[in-house]
Amino acid sequence: EVQLVESGGGLVQPGRSLRLSCIGSGFTFGDYAGSWVRQAPGKGLEWVGFIRSKAYGGTTDYAASVKGRFTISRDDSKSIAYLQMNSLRTEDTAVYYCARGARPKAFDLWGQGTMVTVSS
Amino acid sequence: DIQMTQSPSSLSASVGDRVTITCRASQGISNYLAWYQQKPGKVPKLLIYVASTLQSGVPSRFSGSGSGTDFTLTISSLQPEDVATYYCQKYNSAPWTFGQGTKVEIK
Repeated sequence: EVQLVESGGGLVQPGRSLRLSCIGSGFTFGDYAGSWVRQAPGKGLEWVGFIRSKAYGGTTDYAASVKGRFTISRDDSKSIAYLQMNSLRTEDTAVYYCARGARPKAFDLWGQGTMVTVSS
Repeated sequence: DIQMTQSPSSLSASVGDRVTITCRASQGISNYLAWYQQKPGKVPKLLIYVASTLQSGVPSRFSGSGSGTDFTLTISSLQPEDVATYYCQKYNSAPWTFGQGTKVEIK
């Protein structure tokens, strides 16, 4: 089955760090870009960041709201993408989704999401 | 950064009605515009990409149009299972911004 599964969410204090993982299966993970999208409780979707496939340089882009605090990386040998979140703020509280990206299809496959709560 | 503005923010329509949602980009994005459906408590689902191409498995009552700055998602005959929030997203270049969403309900 083609799927993405996120893990690593939980409750964390402001200023601390957390790393989310996204494991892909049923497809060649390295052929695709990966993205993270978050959704705060009761709010809309917010694009967080993006990592291109190695064929496109494996480069990253980030939303202004997380740039300098969040880092996306990938290990294609394990079919995993990571979202390292540092200096967490209460406003980072959200469900975090990973999504598969491949032009021209935008995000055609999504994980089920993992909840991150930043609170003291 | 390019802003994506959807309208309306919510709508209520009867089963069988034609429903239209618009998405406007503050600058041209060619046709790199996607539409997603998110049902309550569920994961977003890709409906349409490059403005007008229907994702595999999506019912043909959904259609998309537009290019440049103005885009439209149309549901030709609203069904009860279409109750959801719909989001547009630009993906010509980073940031891959989403619209604020349009909540569709049945009257």
